[in-house]
Amino acid sequence: KNQVEQSPQSLIILEGKNCTLQCNYTVSPFSNLRWYKQDTGRGPVSLTIMTFSENTKSNGRYTATLDADTKQSSLHITASQLSDSASYICVVSAPKAAGNKLTFGGGTRVLVKP
Amino acid sequence: DTAVSQTPKYLVTQMGNDKSIKCEQNLGHDTMYWYKQDSKKFLKIMFSYNNKELIINETVPNRFSPKSPDKAHLNLHINSLELGDSAVYFCASSRPGLALNEQFFGPGTRLTVL
Repeated sequence: KNQVEQSPQSLIILEGKNCTLQCNYTVSPFSNLRWYKQDTGRGPVSLTIMTFSENTKSNGRYTATLDADTKQSSLHITASQLSDSASYICVVSAPKAAGNKLTFGGGTRVLVKP
Repeated sequence: DTAVSQTPKYLVTQMGNDKSIKCEQNLGHDTMYWYKQDSKKFLKIMFSYNNKELIINETVPNRFSPKSPDKAHLNLHINSLELGDSAVYFCASSRPGLALNEQFFGPGTRLTVL
C-alpha cells in the first residue's frame, strides 16, 4: 500500500532555531516528492518539488533533501521565524502514466515560539 | 488576483440536506481536483477533471457529484449529507507539464454536518 509517513507529528521550537522534519514513503512508482506548507485555515502552498535525480532543493530558509534509494526526505528550516508556524506536508507523486496521483503524509505541525 | 477560489468558506448544515461547493481558477490550468482533509489532517483525492472530463474518481460515495461546466470551474455537489462528511474540502488546479504538474490549492471549505 502506498504510504507517506512523517515525523515528528508536532514540534515546538524557539524563534531563530533550526529544525528538521522527516518523511518516509513507500509510494511506487515514484515521480517526484513535494513539501507543502499549510497555514491554519488555508490551503497548502508548495515549498519544493524534487524528482528522483535531485538530492537537495532550497527555497529561502527551507531546504529539502531526497534519498530515492532509501525513500526518505527531510525538510530543514533555518533560523525559524514566527511565520513558520504551520503544518508541513510531504507529498509523493506518481508518474503521469499513473494519473499523477498524489499521496499525502499526515503533516508535521510546527509551532515557533518567541 | 490569480488564484484558486472556493465558496463558501464555511458551510454548516443539517444531516440529510443537499449542498454545493463552488471552485474557480483563473490560472489557465486544464486540470482541477477536489480533496477532502479529515480531522487527522490527511488530504485525500476525491476527483480529478481534465478539460471537463473526469479522470480520477477515488471510491467516493455517489452522493458526491462533481460538475465541471468549463475548464475554469469544478463544483462539488453533495446529496443527503451525513455526519461523516464533516471535513475541510480543498479544490486545486494544475497544468500537466508545468513544473512537474504542481498543484495550486484553494483556501478550503469547512463543512460541518449537524
